[in-house]
Amino acid sequence: EVQLVQSGAEVKKPGESLKISCKGSGYSFTSYWIGWVRQMPGKGLEWMGIIYPGDSDTRYSPSFQGQVTISADKSISTAYLQWSSLKASDTAMYYCARHDSGAFDIWGQGTMVTVSS
Amino acid sequence: DIQLTQSPSFLSASVGDRVTITCRASQGISSYLAWYQQKPGKAPKLLIYAASTLQSGVPSRFSGSGSGTEFTLTISSLQPEDFATYYCQQLNSYLPLTFGGGTKVEIK
Repeated sequence: EVQLVQSGAEVKKPGESLKISCKGSGYSFTSYWIGWVRQMPGKGLEWMGIIYPGDSDTRYSPSFQGQVTISADKSISTAYLQWSSLKASDTAMYYCARHDSGAFDIWGQGTMVTVSS
Repeated sequence: DIQLTQSPSFLSASVGDRVTITCRASQGISSYLAWYQQKPGKAPKLLIYAASTLQSGVPSRFSGSGSGTEFTLTISSLQPEDFATYYCQQLNSYLPLTFGGGTKVEIK
């Protein structure tokens, strides 16, 4: 079965760092782009960026450039999204998704990040 | 950035109704448009890609059309399980791969 499994919910304080993960299985992880999508509470979907695990080519939305870092470790079929200094406004659900045939066809279950003092 | 404007943002409909959602792009995106369904507490699910191609396993009551700047998602006969929020997404340009604002379909 093709799937993306994300790491569990996180509760952090402002200023802390965080790295969440997205592990692919059931397909060739290095052959498909993986994107990250933010959904703030009660709001719509926002595309953050995308990475090609085969060569780590990464593109960011201008809105998220410099705010987060997207990376991947192809040896363990895992993509990452990380923050160096969290803010309360980073509180959201974060999804990873596989890009194929001009769409995101497989989605992770989501990781809820809560940032609160 | 390419902006996507969905309309309506909210609609109330009954089971069996024909429902149409529109997505307009701020510039031409050929057929690089996808539609997703999201239910509360769940990840989005791909319904349509390349504007009109039905994703495997998606019921045939869902259809998509359009190219350039105007696109539609149609549900031919609304079923109870179709009450959800629907999003369009453009994949013509990576900078960025924008989503529309969403259309919430609720039971009348």
